[in-house]
Amino acid sequence: AQKITQTQPGMFVQEKEAVTLDCTYDTSDQSYGLFWYKQPSSGEMIFLIYQGSYDEQNATEGRYSLNFQKARKSANLVISASQLGDSAMYFCAMRDRSYQKVTFGTGTKLQVIP
Amino acid sequence: GAVVSQHPSWVICKSGTSVKIECRSLDFQATTMFWYRQFPKQSLMLMATSNEGSKATYEQGVEKDKFLINHASLTLSTLTVTSAHPEDSSFYICSARFKDYNEQFFGPGTRLTVL
Repeated sequence: AQKITQTQPGMFVQEKEAVTLDCTYDTSDQSYGLFWYKQPSSGEMIFLIYQGSYDEQNATEGRYSLNFQKARKSANLVISASQLGDSAMYFCAMRDRSYQKVTFGTGTKLQVIP
Repeated sequence: GAVVSQHPSWVICKSGTSVKIECRSLDFQATTMFWYRQFPKQSLMLMATSNEGSKATYEQGVEKDKFLINHASLTLSTLTVTSAHPEDSSFYICSARFKDYNEQFFGPGTRLTVL
């Protein structure tokens, strides 16, 4: 069974500062994938970044980077230079080997302070 | 990025009626579609995974006779909530992916309110 744990229900960050959102996971699969999604109050799910279990480099997409530590089973999201528009819920998710199941964490509500 | 649409975006219905929600991939052929349910301030819970042309795989605890899923084509999946009750009120979100792509593309969601 897959499990995603996000231990930070809420986070505050000053505008222009960097912030790290924590995510740990548990799986028996050797091949899996990890995602981060942003969900603003409108409800849409916005894809941010993906990391494959066999990817040697940490994934980066603009201001987003994923700090992947496979041995510790963690996949933390780092947002650099926070903007007011980054205020939203952030979900960590994992797909299984066959991509027939995707499990989401409980989410972290990020609020960017001017 | 690829676009996934959902219709309707919101629906209010009386208890006991059935509601159909459509999920369409507009510019790609979706080999797999996922249906999620999200209660207020909670995470997305996977309800079922459907592959084109085959029966949906439901997650444990999800009643397949209540939540009918049909994935008749590579661009359309439907979720029918049968005999809806107030406890079925929720935000239903679909997503779609194309084989060999890691990303799944989400629809904008459907807010269902059962009176």
